[in-house]
Amino acid sequence: EIVLTQSPATLSLSPGERASLSCRASQSVRTSLAWYQQKPGQAPRLLIFEASNRATGIPPRFSGSGSGTDFTLTISNLEPEDLAVYYCQHRGSWPITFGQGTRLEIK
Amino acid sequence: EVRLVESGGGSVQPGGSLRLSCEASGFTFSAYEMTWVRQLPGKGLEWISYITGDSTTKTYADSVRGRFTIFRDNAKNSLYLQMNSLRVEDTALYYCARDVAAPGLYFDSWGQGTLVSVSS
Repeated sequence: EIVLTQSPATLSLSPGERASLSCRASQSVRTSLAWYQQKPGQAPRLLIFEASNRATGIPPRFSGSGSGTDFTLTISNLEPEDLAVYYCQHRGSWPITFGQGTRLEIK
Repeated sequence: EVRLVESGGGSVQPGGSLRLSCEASGFTFSAYEMTWVRQLPGKGLEWISYITGDSTTKTYADSVRGRFTIFRDNAKNSLYLQMNSLRVEDTALYYCARDVAAPGLYFDSWGQGTLVSVSS
């Protein structure tokens, strides 16, 4: 099983700043990685797939990068509505797994 | 508009059974692979099962294999999860999710979830 480790566990930033969230895989997943946003009380929403492709309707403030074992989700120009937990997920092999999440707090 | 609505959750004793349903609308259901994901209370996400559009391939997480069965009825635009031999650790919010058309195994639409509580 591929383990995804996200860091930091919590990130606290101010509106207008840039957030960088990390996801590290225990073995290579090539570019088979996605990022999701889960706001309080809501279902997850797909942000990025195949490491760097934005899902439909996702603004360009959200961008993904990386390959192999190291991936980054970058959120530019933070807005209060970006308050959420962000998860990475791989599809490199069975079983599919998710990271434990990074909580983004907006000051 | 793509819509997924789960139902069938509830409270059950250990060893009991439940059948979850997910009714889909707004897209050609039979053309999409579908997945169940659960979220333990206050915790992260766990993928548990996957099924292709024609039901020829089904895959399960080790934690549920042999106890849970995924199936679908394309004529009814519905996905199901039959859960048997339930354990306390199966207590979670269960989501159905649609796989992106290409490549699959990313989840671009989610229901709001149905809550399963297993306790004595």
